[in-house]
This record gives sequence, structure tokens and C-alpha cells, in this order.
Amino acid sequence: SYELTQPPSLSVSPGQTVSITCSGDKLGDRYASWYHQKPGQSPVLVIYQDNKRPSGIPERFSGSNSGNTATLTISGTQTMDEADYYCQAWDGDTAVFGGGTKLTVL
Amino acid sequence: EVQLVESGGGLVKAGGSLRLSCAASGFTFIHAWMSWVRQAPGKGLEWVGRIKSQTDGGTTDFAAPVKARFTISRDDSKNMLFLQMNSLKIDDTAVYYCTTGGSPAAGIGYWGQGALVTVSS
Repeated sequence: SYELTQPPSLSVSPGQTVSITCSGDKLGDRYASWYHQKPGQSPVLVIYQDNKRPSGIPERFSGSNSGNTATLTISGTQTMDEADYYCQAWDGDTAVFGGGTKLTVL
Repeated sequence: EVQLVESGGGLVKAGGSLRLSCAASGFTFIHAWMSWVRQAPGKGLEWVGRIKSQTDGGTTDFAAPVKARFTISRDDSKNMLFLQMNSLKIDDTAVYYCTTGGSPAAGIGYWGQGALVTVSS
């Protein structure tokens, strides 16, 4: 079965840039999506089709996908960005999520 | 405003059945591909399955752990999505989210608040 691998945790200082990676076999040949989830809340889509932002998602969120790695970059990270981040892609007719990355902003 | 409201969660014994419902509003449900995603306590997200729109065949696909035990259906006349869960296992304990999306190009755009399903021994 297809697997997506994320670092379990990352930390960043407010105002800095952080990149969260998601690795999978030939992931660049598929569309990658990214979600964030704050404690006690439902996930929110922040990037789809590798690099598109849904309406209402700040410009500081950007995405890229090439080779075996998709990357979510947060520029000028804010304390409100502290959350769990999940990547997701499709393997044929099934969706696969990465294990999630806990982002700490301090 | 898009709203997805799940109902039907609760406590069930292993081997039992449960049916979740999702009331959708704020978008053209009849054209939407819909998915269920679950999250076990303290764990990550796990896709459960999807149903395509009727115009795209209305077919369903499922993750391996639930295939042959879970079914997804929809009532487009009432903007309702359903998840029928049979032969439940303790590992099925999770919050189940009703979501829009089920195609690779779209992402999973909207999420309900979730319904907790607890399977006991």
C-alpha cells in the first residue's frame, strides 16, 4: 500500500519560515493536499493540487511537489499556525494521509 | 455557508453495527463527491471511503481496513450522506468526519464537526 511519510514534529520561531515535508514514491506524479488541525477542531484544507490555496487561506501558506517530496512552506509563521499538519494524496481510488507533523511555534 | 452535520455516533459493542448520517447544506450536494475520514483518539487522519456523484456513476471506494464491512450511500433528494458500519471492531473507535471531496484534484475541502464512535469489547 502507498505510504506518505512526514516528520513527527517541528518547531519554529514566530516570524520565521518553516517547511514541512511529505515523502512518498513518485509523489510528484500525484496531486498533494495539506491540512492543518488545531486541538479539538476539525481539519482545514490549506493547500490542494500541490500549490493552490482555498479561499480564506493566508498567502503565507504555499506548497510544492516534485520527485518524491511534497513541501508545505509557511512564511512569517504566526503563533496561530501552531497545529498538526497532514499531507494527503491519492493512490488510485483510495486516499492516503501522512502520519502528521506537530508544528510548535515558540 | 457550507455545513456538514454528522449524527448517529455512540457506543456499540464489537461485532455490532452503527449508521452515521451527515446533513449537508450550502453547496450543490447532488454534484459533490463525498468522503468519510476518521481519526482514532490521539492519532492521525485515516480516509475511510468515498462516494461519487450520481452523474459520475455513484460508485464507492473504501480503505482496506473497512472494505466489505462499511458501506456509503447518499440521498440526493435530502442532501444526506450515510455511513453504514457493520462487524465493528475495537480499532474502529474514532471520530468520523463527513467531508466534501473525493477526487484527486480537489482536496478534501469541507469537514463536519465529527461524530464519535466508540466500540467496546
